Amino acid sequence: GAGVSQTPSNKVTEKGKYVELRCDPISGHTALYWYRQSLGQGPEFLIYFQGTGAADDSGLPNDRFFAVRPEGSVSTLKIQRTERGDSAVYLCASSLGGVNANTGELFFGEGSRLTVL
Amino acid sequence: DQQVKQNSPSLSVQEGRISILNCDYTNSMFDYFLWYKKYPAEGPTFLISISSIKDKNEDGRFTVFLNKSAKHLSLHIVPSQPGDSAVYFCAARKQGAQKLVFGQGTRLTINP
Repeated sequence: GAGVSQTPSNKVTEKGKYVELRCDPISGHTALYWYRQSLGQGPEFLIYFQGTGAADDSGLPNDRFFAVRPEGSVSTLKIQRTERGDSAVYLCASSLGGVNANTGELFFGEGSRLTVL
Repeated sequence: DQQVKQNSPSLSVQEGRISILNCDYTNSMFDYFLWYKKYPAEGPTFLISISSIKDKNEDGRFTVFLNKSAKHLSLHIVPSQPGDSAVYFCAARKQGAQKLVFGQGTRLTINP
């Protein structure tokens, strides 16, 4: 498809386990973002990649969270030692030139719903 | 510290009437504002945006108004249609920054 693809769409895990969430952005989009949306809240910024490098990781809540984008396309968000508070929908978005380009529009995927029991 | 606030969790409007969604912000460094629409089980989709150098931007049935002195923006939808029923998020960004700061969202329901 032409849109942002995220897998898995749903992930249920136990407290303390390791989780990986994958994002495949729109082809040609150099900017990639991860956001987290908790119930009843708006999306909350986690990390921004421009190409392969994490240009802004100020939103990562702690060192259990890590994200990579080794070839400048697909990105993986990794969560170690998951906690119940990590339960949320993790949204990935991409754009051609970042929020400072054109309308600033980000194209979001459908999200990965993570439930930590 | 909620820098972008949408104080109405929900709004119900009759089909054909005007829907007005409101958003307040506290950070005067924000220079660009966006509205996103979200259907259940889908990601947010971009609707309309406005730069801080403008006070109005219109796109078809959608108009966004910005009042910088009041740190307030609003989204007007007229006429409202059943397909407009969704959660609407306003978002803001600081000049030079990449991240968007989102409000909590307002669930709009258009009644036939």
